[in-house]
Amino acid sequence: GAGVSQSPRYKVAKRGQDVALRCDPISGHVSLFWYQQALGQGPEFLTYFQNEAQLDKSGLPSDRFFAERPEGSVSTLKIQRTQQEDSAVYLCASSSGLTTDTQYFGPGTRLTVL
Amino acid sequence: GIQVEQSPPDLILQEGANSTLRCNFSDSVNNLQWFHQNPWGQLINLFYIPSGTKQNGRLSATTVATERYSLLYISSSQTTDSGVYFCAGIYGNKLVFGAGTILRVKS
Repeated sequence: GAGVSQSPRYKVAKRGQDVALRCDPISGHVSLFWYQQALGQGPEFLTYFQNEAQLDKSGLPSDRFFAERPEGSVSTLKIQRTQQEDSAVYLCASSSGLTTDTQYFGPGTRLTVL
Repeated sequence: GIQVEQSPPDLILQEGANSTLRCNFSDSVNNLQWFHQNPWGQLINLFYIPSGTKQNGRLSATTVATERYSLLYISSSQTTDSGVYFCAGIYGNKLVFGAGTILRVKS
């Protein structure tokens, strides 16, 4: 596609529910990134994929967070047993090659945990 | 950890005015990007600028990598320029963002 797309755009979950957020990167982009943006703050890095390999997951806040990109294209960020502190906007970005290349961001998924 | 500091945190301009936003980073960056986050939350790429100066219409940016700062210039501001401006340095595998500058342009 023309840009990075994410779905759903909005998600409301009850505390304790599992959620799955989807990212479709720009076609052909090798690198894919997930970021978390809390209200009033800048985005913070969660994890990075190069093709299907998850090379960096140092930003995942707990073992309840899990990301995958099995075929090196679409990626899913899964949050198990959601907590209120997980409420945030989750942003996906992709870049054509190296991590130092320009990153292009999707519109984000706003997650609200009640 | 790596620190990216932006100033000012808030800025109110009258339409037509010029402004300069600053980004300081605590360590050498592999690269630097400037973004505009619109009211709908979309991060729009403005510049990818590891060093030197680039211009795009009313916007321009300068990065002085040796002194670890970057500047974003907005000239003849318009109400559509309102939003949050972020700079972010690329460190290893990730972008590290500043806290942003909230810009409001009044007509």
